[in-house]
Amino acid sequence: DAGVIQSPRHEVTEMGQEVTLRCKPISGHNSLFWYRQTMMRGLELLIYFNNNVPIDDSGMPEDRFSAKMPNASFSTLKIQPSEPRDSAVYFCASSLGPRVNQPQHFGDGTRLSIL
Amino acid sequence: GESVGLHLPTLSVQEGDNSIINCAYSNSASDYFIWYKQESGKGPQFIIDIRSNMDKRQGQRVTVLLNKTVKHLSLQIAATQPGDSAVYFCAENNAGNMLTFGGGTRLMVKP
Repeated sequence: DAGVIQSPRHEVTEMGQEVTLRCKPISGHNSLFWYRQTMMRGLELLIYFNNNVPIDDSGMPEDRFSAKMPNASFSTLKIQPSEPRDSAVYFCASSLGPRVNQPQHFGDGTRLSIL
Repeated sequence: GESVGLHLPTLSVQEGDNSIINCAYSNSASDYFIWYKQESGKGPQFIIDIRSNMDKRQGQRVTVLLNKTVKHLSLQIAATQPGDSAVYFCAENNAGNMLTFGGGTRLMVKP
């Protein structure tokens, strides 16, 4: 079975550019999560969706970050304009939500470098 | 617990020995816990979970122990192998279906 699929795997761009990260959750999973991982702050939840609806976006750093989930099989995380401090690994995860107590399954992430 | 990635504790074990990785969680209301394994360049991989109505759960070569009294979780890996080398995270569910991750422990297996 296909796991969570993220693209691109690596992204290098100059500051000020728009960055779009993509995620395809596991089929049948109704909850989707976006995380950011850095050495300094570890793994942080940015936003999560249940049934394509954003439930909690309190982890989104600022207005430069936005996330959408237009359908059950696709989500995007957009940064505009990007800044060097946005450099991190961004993970998408999905689970059999919105039931609680379900494990989240992660993609292999997008390593983002903003120059 | 809070995620603090700057200082990652490291556990070094000999191949074939048993490993015990510990985690202290913060919220006494948390009712679901998960252990993840993260290898270099990959996302966290689900290992095993446990609900708060249990104090022990076993998988293949892994055992998770939960002590709610002191808010402590541990992961035991039997007969540790080089392929077990990775960073291990505990996570707690304390609000809806969101998880809060610990800072992680690096396991190094010496051949």
